[in-house]
Amino acid sequence: GAVVSQHPSRVICKSGTSVKIECRSLDFQATTMFWYRQFPKQSLMLMATSNEGSKATYEQGVEKDKFLINHASLTLSTLTVTSAHPEDSSFYICSAKGTGEQYFGPGTRLTVT
Amino acid sequence: DQQVKQNSPSLSVQEGRISILNCDYTNSMFDYFLWYKKYPAEGPTFLISISSIKDKNEDGRFTVFLNKSAKHLSLHIVPSQPGDSAVYFCAANTGTASKLTFGTGTRLQVTL
Repeated sequence: GAVVSQHPSRVICKSGTSVKIECRSLDFQATTMFWYRQFPKQSLMLMATSNEGSKATYEQGVEKDKFLINHASLTLSTLTVTSAHPEDSSFYICSAKGTGEQYFGPGTRLTVT
Repeated sequence: DQQVKQNSPSLSVQEGRISILNCDYTNSMFDYFLWYKKYPAEGPTFLISISSIKDKNEDGRFTVFLNKSAKHLSLHIVPSQPGDSAVYFCAANTGTASKLTFGTGTRLQVTL
């Protein structure tokens, strides 16, 4: 299947700082990328959908000014958590979709201290 | 509002037996359903899918059944293997929309 990478796999940051997470589709062009968040023992919750070259569409309750998403190319999307707080600590997963199924990245564990 | 529900948080099955994971949904607009397998600290891996025009789809040891009238789908794994131990999520979407709605997951443990 197609490969989606995420970087970093783990990040620890101090409260008030910003963190950028990258999502790349390695062997296909992703017209759409999705960002999910998963809290322990809970489901994956879609945060936003981004299409290359256009603004992301955020799900209800997700602050677009706090979770900045950029989808600058067909193989790269970034999620920036701005002014991170401990409650933002979570597992963030991206997925990418070309013409077929969605393929998920390995996830990024964010811990805000 | 949980539109996709997996009511069993965990399931334990002996190696070689059948594992049956269940999923219910409430949104009648869903017309495409998927199952994903997830290991801790990893992203989900696509397993198998089914369109609402079918009631069964089979791929090797994995079979998904869809009962539209009951808004219920199930994933059968037979024979179960220890490597199948993971969390399984069902997901659904509508029409051409790619946005997936996930269930809460069922942790499957296959014992020797």
